[in-house]
Amino acid sequence: SYVLTQPPSVSVAPGQTAQITCGGNNIGDKSVHWYQQKPGQAPVLVVYDDSDRPSGIPERFSGSNSGLTATLTISRVEAGDEADYFCQVWDSTKDQYVFGTGTGVTVL
Amino acid sequence: EVQLVESGGALVQPGGSLRLSCAASGFTFDDYAMHWVRQVPGKGLEWVSGVSWDLSGKEYGASVKGRFSISRDNAKNSLFLQMSSLRPEDTALYYCAKAVARYSYDPRGALDHWGQGILVSVSS
Repeated sequence: SYVLTQPPSVSVAPGQTAQITCGGNNIGDKSVHWYQQKPGQAPVLVVYDDSDRPSGIPERFSGSNSGLTATLTISRVEAGDEADYFCQVWDSTKDQYVFGTGTGVTVL
Repeated sequence: EVQLVESGGALVQPGGSLRLSCAASGFTFDDYAMHWVRQVPGKGLEWVSGVSWDLSGKEYGASVKGRFSISRDNAKNSLFLQMSSLRPEDTALYYCAKAVARYSYDPRGALDHWGQGILVSVSS
């Protein structure tokens, strides 16, 4: 089955930039969606279709996707960005959605 | 305001069955695909199943295929998940989620609204 690999954790100082990667075979050919999940809360969509933002999501959240890696970038990181982040794609060979392993972002 | 409220979670014995429900409001329910996603507390997200707006498409994750069945009642703005032959590894928080697309197999069908989840525990 299709596997999406994310780093378990990323640490970043306030005001700096966090980059969260999502690796998968030819992921650049797929639409990638990103979700933020804070402790005890349901996931929230922060980026869809590689780089689009839902209404209400700050411009500080951006995405890119090419080749073997999709990336979620959080600029000017704030304490409130501390959360787990998951990528997601549709695996057309198995007709199923797949989530990445998840990355915990810690704001120092 | 979009609202998704899950119900039906319980403690059930291995081999048993359970039916989850999700009541939707605040949007035109029959315009969108709907999905179930589960999460073991402290672990990652696992997509379980999705259904298209008109029930023309129903997809399942490999770990539940043949045991779970997804359905919807557009007249009652409700989504369901019938779970049978339950196993301890099915223990998780189950989320109902709305897609941005009409079809459950749309690669561009991100999940833009989620319920708060309902707990299913499978144990003897």
